[in-house]
Amino acid sequence: EIVLTQSPGTLSLSPGERVTLSCRASQTVTSSFLAWYQQKAGQAPRLLIYGASTRAPGIPDRFSGSGSGTDFTLAISRLEPEDFAVYYCQQYGSSSPVTFGGGTKVEIK
Amino acid sequence: EVQLVESGGGLAQPGGSLGLSCEATGFTLGRYWMTWVRQAPAKGPEWVANINQDGSETYYVDSVRGRFTISRDNAKNSLYLQMNSLRADDTAMYYCARAPSARAVFGIVSENWFDTWGRGTLVTVSS
Repeated sequence: EIVLTQSPGTLSLSPGERVTLSCRASQTVTSSFLAWYQQKAGQAPRLLIYGASTRAPGIPDRFSGSGSGTDFTLAISRLEPEDFAVYYCQQYGSSSPVTFGGGTKVEIK
Repeated sequence: EVQLVESGGGLAQPGGSLGLSCEATGFTLGRYWMTWVRQAPAKGPEWVANINQDGSETYYVDSVRGRFTISRDNAKNSLYLQMNSLRADDTAMYYCARAPSARAVFGIVSENWFDTWGRGTLVTVSS
């Protein structure tokens, strides 16, 4: 099983700031098969990024994903009030069942 | 509008059973792999099970294999999860989700990312 470690656990930021979230895998993620989700309190996760860098339909271009191998990043160029949430990475490679990271909470400073 | 709506959650005793349903609207269920994902309180999501388009292939996380059964009825636009021999650590919000690119590769579901999720149904296992 591929273990995903997200860091930091919590980020305290202000609207307008840029943020980068890290997701590190315990083994190489096949073909950059990595997705990012946003989850707000009481809601289901929402797909942001798949294939490490492809934005899902309707996702603003302030969200971007990058990385390969074992190190992946989600960046938000300018935090909007609606972006304060928990973010999860997920790997879905062909060599291992799906696993999710433990999440990074982005909170208002 | 593409939508998934889960139902059937509730309180069950350890060793008991519950059946979850997920109704799909706004798309043709039979064209897609589908999945159940659960999330325990204050934890990250955990993949539970997948089923292919015609229901002939099913896949499970090790912790539920032999206890849970995923199934579907495309004519009714519905997905199901039958949960038996429930344990306290099965307590979670259960989501159904659509896996638009999933495919089976050597016994593992590959490209298993999820573009549409329901709002979830809460399962609590407690005596």
